[in-house]
Amino acid sequence: DIQMTQSPSSVSASIGDRVTITCRASQPISSWLAWYQQKPGKAPRLLIYATSTLQTGVPSRFSGSGSGTEFTLSISSLQPEDFATYYCQQANYFPPLFGGGTKVEIK
Amino acid sequence: EVQVAESGGGLVQPGGSLRLSCAASGFTFSDYVMNWVRQAPGQGLEWVSGIRGDGGTTYYADSVKGRLTISRDNSKNSVFLQMTSLRVEDTAVYYCARGAAGSASDWYDFWGQGTLVAVSS
Repeated sequence: DIQMTQSPSSVSASIGDRVTITCRASQPISSWLAWYQQKPGKAPRLLIYATSTLQTGVPSRFSGSGSGTEFTLSISSLQPEDFATYYCQQANYFPPLFGGGTKVEIK
Repeated sequence: EVQVAESGGGLVQPGGSLRLSCAASGFTFSDYVMNWVRQAPGQGLEWVSGIRGDGGTTYYADSVKGRLTISRDNSKNSVFLQMTSLRVEDTAVYYCARGAAGSASDWYDFWGQGTLVAVSS
């Protein structure tokens, strides 16, 4: 079975910092990768799909890249509203599978 | 505006049953695969089940196969999750989510606020 591994599991950062989160798939998944943001007590929000396509309404400070087995989500300049947990998810194989999450905390 | 809203969660004993509902609006409901994704307390996200737009094909995670049944009523823009033989490990917030690309394995562009299912004696 495919596995999705995110790193780090948590990161402390300051407003204005650049933050990068990595997601690794145990098998190649082409570009079938999405990223979600989840705030406490709220539903996940789709940020990026197909590795690098920004969902409508998502600020341009978010970007995604990668292919095959290694992918990254970058936040170019961290804003107060970006403190949340981020999940990657593969959609190349059935069943769809999420990574374990990365919590972005205030430094 | 696309809206998705779940209902039907609650406290149930192990071995019991529960039926979740999800009402959708703001899009052509029958065009989309609808899904249930759950999140155990303090844990990550787990896809549970999906159903194609015409209701003719359903998908399940191995962890719930044979115990949970997904269905939909396109005349009411609703999708349902019938849960039976519930286990403590089924305790989670259950989200209804729209599949964006129409595939069995998909990403999810609109989510409800979730409904909590607690399985405990």
